[in-house]
Amino acid sequence: SQELEQSPQSLIVQEGKNLTINCTSSKTLYGLYWYKQKYGEGLIFLMMLQKGGEEKSHEKITAKLDEKKQQSSLHITASQPSHAGIYLCGADRASYDKVIFGPGTSLSVIP
Amino acid sequence: ETGVTQSPTHLIKTRGQQVTLRCSSQSGHNTVSWYQQALGQGPQFIFQYYREEENGRGNFPPRFSGLQFPNYSSELNVNALELDDSALYLCASSLDPGQTYEQYFGPGTRLTVT
Repeated sequence: SQELEQSPQSLIVQEGKNLTINCTSSKTLYGLYWYKQKYGEGLIFLMMLQKGGEEKSHEKITAKLDEKKQQSSLHITASQPSHAGIYLCGADRASYDKVIFGPGTSLSVIP
Repeated sequence: ETGVTQSPTHLIKTRGQQVTLRCSSQSGHNTVSWYQQALGQGPQFIFQYYREEENGRGNFPPRFSGLQFPNYSSELNVNALELDDSALYLCASSLDPGQTYEQYFGPGTRLTVT
C-alpha cells in the first residue's frame, strides 16, 4: 500500500457544486503540499500546510491539515471547468525521498 | 508558466535502448530534481542534483543517471530501457535543496518503451 492515499480516485461534478478531496498518510504528517496537474503540464503548487489545524485558502480552494488523523482535505467551493485536473497531495520526508506524492484525484467539472 | 522547459515532449523507444531527456531549469535555480510518474500514479523521486553533484537518490537502479550543467540545464539518462520505464518524466528546479515546496515543475517528457 502507498504511504499517501487519496480519495476519491476520480470525481465528476456539475459546475457550481462543492467538492472535497482527502489525503491520508500512514506516517505522521509534518508538512503537506497540494498540487494540481493538467495533461501536458507539470505540477502547479497550490499550498503547503505545516501545523495541525492549519487551514489555507487560495481563491475558491481551501485546504486543511488534521495532524492527529494524519489527514488533509482539499475543498473546492462553486467548482468551475478551470478547476478540472489531477490533484496531488505530497508530504515532505527527511530522507532523500524528498517529496512523497499520493496517487492523485482526477477531477472533471461538467459545464 | 514556470520557466522550466523539457525536451522532447514525447519519445518512443525500444526495449534495451538508451534515452536522454533534457531539462532547462529556471534561471538562478541551483537544484534540479527528477521524477517518474507512471500512468495513474503520483510522481516518484528519482534523484536530485545540486550544483552539478548528486544530492540524493530514490529507489531507482543505477541505469538511471543524471548530469547537471553550469548553465542550469540537466539531463536524465536511462540505459537498457525496460517496458516499465514507460512514464511521464518530470524535472523540477528550486533555489536550494531544502526548498521542496518551492519546486517549479516542467511540463514533462512522455516516454513510451515498446
